Amino acid sequence: KAGVTQTPRYLIKTRGQQVTLSCSPISGHRSVSWYQQTPGQGLQFLFEYFSETQRNKGNFPGRFSGRQFSNSRSEMNVSTLELGDSALYLCASKAGGPGTGELFFGEGSRLTVL
Amino acid sequence: QKEVEQDPGPLSVPEGAIVSLNCTYSNSAFQYFMWYRQYSRKGPELLMYTYSSGNKEDGRFTAQVDKSSKYISLFIRDSQPSDSATYLCAMSGQSSGDKLTFGTGTRLAVRP
Repeated sequence: KAGVTQTPRYLIKTRGQQVTLSCSPISGHRSVSWYQQTPGQGLQFLFEYFSETQRNKGNFPGRFSGRQFSNSRSEMNVSTLELGDSALYLCASKAGGPGTGELFFGEGSRLTVL
Repeated sequence: QKEVEQDPGPLSVPEGAIVSLNCTYSNSAFQYFMWYRQYSRKGPELLMYTYSSGNKEDGRFTAQVDKSSKYISLFIRDSQPSDSATYLCAMSGQSSGDKLTFGTGTRLAVRP
């Protein structure tokens, strides 16, 4: 069974640009969450989607947005990139609805902002 | 003060040792407790998932949760060099959905 797939794995952008990251959950999983991982702050929750609806959002500025499609695939977008947005962006999926079951992570998309 | 505190290490042990990793937390609403293992430049891998207080064993790994003390532990028996990784504790509450609150991670090195 394939795991959570994230693309692209690595990317480099410059300040002011925008970026879109993609996540394909494990087959059959309907919940998708996004996390940001940095050396200073660790893993921080960005948002959570279930059945195409955002169920929860972390404390990030409005430049961070996301969406989920009817096939449960998800994308997140960061606009007007800042140097501090350099991080590993992790997508996770699980079978059940919010608050139930185990969360499985992908390998992440490593974003470098120059 | 962070909601979840975890000693960052690094922790270095000889092969075959018993490893004890710990986290403390302050939010009494946390009910689900997890341990993830993360190898360098990889995503976190779920090791243990427990609900409320008690113990759970899976092979060489044992997770303990003491809600009264707000303290969770992960024990690794017969540690192997392949266990060298960063171990992250994570937790969530009934109403927080998939919003996991993570510890900062403990870096473990198992020496052959």
